[in-house]
Amino acid sequence: GNSVTQMEGPVTLSEEAFLTINCTYTATGYPSLFWYVQYPGEGLQLLLKATKADDKGSNKGFEATYRKETTSFHLEKGSVQVSDSAVYFCALSINDYKLSFGAGTTVTVRA
Amino acid sequence: GAVVSQHPSRVICKSGTSVKIECRSLDFQATTMFWYRQFPKQSLMLMATSNEGSKATYEQGVEKDKFLINHASLTLSTLTVTSAHPEDSSFYICSGRDRRLNEQFFGPGTRLTVL
Repeated sequence: GNSVTQMEGPVTLSEEAFLTINCTYTATGYPSLFWYVQYPGEGLQLLLKATKADDKGSNKGFEATYRKETTSFHLEKGSVQVSDSAVYFCALSINDYKLSFGAGTTVTVRA
Repeated sequence: GAVVSQHPSRVICKSGTSVKIECRSLDFQATTMFWYRQFPKQSLMLMATSNEGSKATYEQGVEKDKFLINHASLTLSTLTVTSAHPEDSSFYICSGRDRRLNEQFFGPGTRLTVL
């Protein structure tokens, strides 16, 4: 089956620190990969995505590269801000648009 | 991005009663909507997929008679938790797929507490 494993949190960082959240997947087929972010009190929002191997998704300073050889899609940001405090979910989808989510990683950025 | 609303945002009910949760796509037509359940500190688990005008497809282990889903229009899907029990207490999230953008947009969720 399809599954996503992501780094457990919570993660606490200082402003301007480097953030990495690891995500690996198993899939029967060729998935599209996503990172979603959930800010406090809000619904999930698509942060970035990649649909084929070696694609790099990027948005708001975040990046993730689809690595087929390591079945990974790690999320990175070079300099986090307090406003980046949220829960981050890695997810995959095969052709049926159903999303399989990782457990979520809570990130707190301190000023 | 497109907006999906859910109503109510939180509901408390007595055991044995039924609760209806509405999910609306406000500025796009959602031919497909998804219902998820999220337990504390856990991931979202897909419960069912509903296509406008047809019966919902439920994931394995989800009781279709317990969780009634109706997707009567391109902008509205409802989830009814029938004869709710405390173990049904959870955070329920819907999403709508915008076919034009080929992207899912999520509602803010509904917190259900069954006493």
